[in-house]
Amino acid sequence: DQQVKQNSPSLSVQEGRISILNCDYTNSMFDYFLWYKKYPAEGPTFLISISSIKDKNEDGRFTVFLNKSAKHLSLHIVPSQPGDSAVYFCAASELTGGGNKLTFGTGTQLKVEL
Amino acid sequence: ETGVTQTPRHLVMGMTNKKSLKCEQHLGHNAMYWYKQSAKKPLELMFVYNFKEQTENNSVPSRFSPECPNSSHLFLHLHTLQPEDSALYLCASSQGTGVEQPQHFGDGTRLSIL
Repeated sequence: DQQVKQNSPSLSVQEGRISILNCDYTNSMFDYFLWYKKYPAEGPTFLISISSIKDKNEDGRFTVFLNKSAKHLSLHIVPSQPGDSAVYFCAASELTGGGNKLTFGTGTQLKVEL
Repeated sequence: ETGVTQTPRHLVMGMTNKKSLKCEQHLGHNAMYWYKQSAKKPLELMFVYNFKEQTENNSVPSRFSPECPNSSHLFLHLHTLQPEDSALYLCASSQGTGVEQPQHFGDGTRLSIL
């Protein structure tokens, strides 16, 4: 049973608009969340993270929102650029006891169109 | 990013063969990881090493045998694999074992079992 779910396998957005990628989790012990981005034939690269003591973390064009009661997080990219076209993975872990054991979602393929 | 290098990039082997995957990190990190990504499935953590000591074995079959001779190198020895072991195998490293230390991934080895 998947503990981290990305229910949209793909998303298409126009350049300049906002991209919103969603992630849900079932394990209430998760309290640290990360987003990774992956280009074809390359390994995932870390993008942004958030601890459960926050509900928002921002880094340039990327913002992650966490709704702990709903066990939901989202990644907002604004404005979207063609170079953002990639697969985005949501991952979760426990800050204490979970160490560096990440549980990943299946990913969402983002396509930013001109 | 070329901080984590995996070789070979592609490997085709028969079920009775013995082969090894190699991972080298040039980031000065202390922790190293093996992940498996099967088609349409999320990344699955296989093994974790911290300062050359194995700290996590995620119920991986014994036909996969990891080796970590030092903090910069990680191997995955393969023998008597099954067709369902065909997957992308990713290596990662991180500065420490805390989840707040982002994991840096290599580009993976695409393994096909005939």
